[in-house]
Amino acid sequence: DAGITQSPRHKVTETGTPVTLRCHQTENHRYMYWYRQDPGHGLRLIHYSYGVKDTDKGEVSDGYSVSRSKTEDFLLTLESATSSQTSVYFCAIRGQDYTEAFFGQGTRLTVV
Amino acid sequence: DAKTTQPTSMDCAEGRAANLPCNHSTISGNEYVYWYRQIHSQGPQYIIHGLKNNETNEMASLIITEDRKSSTLILPHATLRDTAVYYCIVINRGGANSKLTFGKGITLSVRP
Repeated sequence: DAGITQSPRHKVTETGTPVTLRCHQTENHRYMYWYRQDPGHGLRLIHYSYGVKDTDKGEVSDGYSVSRSKTEDFLLTLESATSSQTSVYFCAIRGQDYTEAFFGQGTRLTVV
Repeated sequence: DAKTTQPTSMDCAEGRAANLPCNHSTISGNEYVYWYRQIHSQGPQYIIHGLKNNETNEMASLIITEDRKSSTLILPHATLRDTAVYYCIVINRGGANSKLTFGKGITLSVRP
């Protein structure tokens, strides 16, 4: 399996609190992605990164920010969590020469 | 990246071939067709990809029409473990900051 780890795997938080999810890779891949998955919506891209300090918005970026200060880590932050951000979050990585993408195991976030 | 269109769902009998269609009528010359699948609650998994020639690997075959506007993923002998959501996506392989977006995919149900 590709070296990609998401943490935490499960989290329950209260509305209005900040939350940071971490995606860590050991593959030295250039590209990293954050998705959310909700029933009836499939996988929706939140933000992605094409290099250290290089990030861009996806389809559903409102309410989320990201940072990538080093190749191996891509952080997703919910500045003030809302119940609509309750979801399963997946991180993915892929290499420079378009290899296939590898996905993490997912983080189940519940905002109460 | 070009958009793709897939039926919402389909089923097939165990042991029979499953043929999953995908329409990508706006595909451009340097865009590849990739297929992934997602088994319940897990991260998506790469299956196969192609540019214009048919491709086969240990998991599946990919048939791309001559005009490249559609493709079919073939699982030659479907098993119950193949029940999953299958995503067809189109990627500009040379695109430095390709977003890697997924639609809702097609839900394949394999019946005993």
